[in-house]
Amino acid sequence: DAGVIQSPRHEVTEMGQEVTLRCKPISGHDYLFWYRQTMMRGLELLIYFNNNVPIDDSGMPEDRFSAKMPNASFSTLKIQPSEPRDSAVYFCASSLRGSDNSPLHFGNGTRLTVT
Amino acid sequence: SQQGEEDPQALSIQEGENATMNCSYKTSINNLQWYRQNSGRGLVHLILIRSNEREKHSGRLRVTLDTSKKSSSLLITASRAADTASYFCATRTGGFKTIFGAGTRLFVKA
Repeated sequence: DAGVIQSPRHEVTEMGQEVTLRCKPISGHDYLFWYRQTMMRGLELLIYFNNNVPIDDSGMPEDRFSAKMPNASFSTLKIQPSEPRDSAVYFCASSLRGSDNSPLHFGNGTRLTVT
Repeated sequence: SQQGEEDPQALSIQEGENATMNCSYKTSINNLQWYRQNSGRGLVHLILIRSNEREKHSGRLRVTLDTSKKSSSLLITASRAADTASYFCATRTGGFKTIFGAGTRLFVKA
């Protein structure tokens, strides 16, 4: 089991540029979550999907952020245009909806720095 | 806004001592989970307690849940230097939405 795979591990970009973060969930998992972690705000849930369909995107900060899940094995989180306050570690997690008690499995995150 | 709030924010103990972390939450939950995060890594699931359970054990971990007080505690017994990490509680309400608290940073001195 390869676990949740995120890429890139580190991303440094200039303000105004488009950033795309990628996630491959664990095979067979039908829930996918995107979180953002900062020292000031902790772990924030941005959006989550079930069977590739967005269920709750109320945590997406603003229209500059968008997330897609074109198939069961791939998701992207895009920021366009990026701003310095978007600097954070972005985590993807997946879960198997066998029951309501299924845990989340996290990737190792993408550390984004916007200068 | 965050559902869970951990207490203390940071904890420093000697190896062999017990570490207790507390979590409070605001709304009704289906279950409460505890996760661990090592520096620079993703979170790892430790233990889950259902809303109808009061206590659960897993190895050196003991979790309690008091739904009347909307609080939970995580006890790590006989701590080791390798337990140094951040610990987060997470609550799941209806619809599989999982919200994390601010975390407790634990430092275990060898």
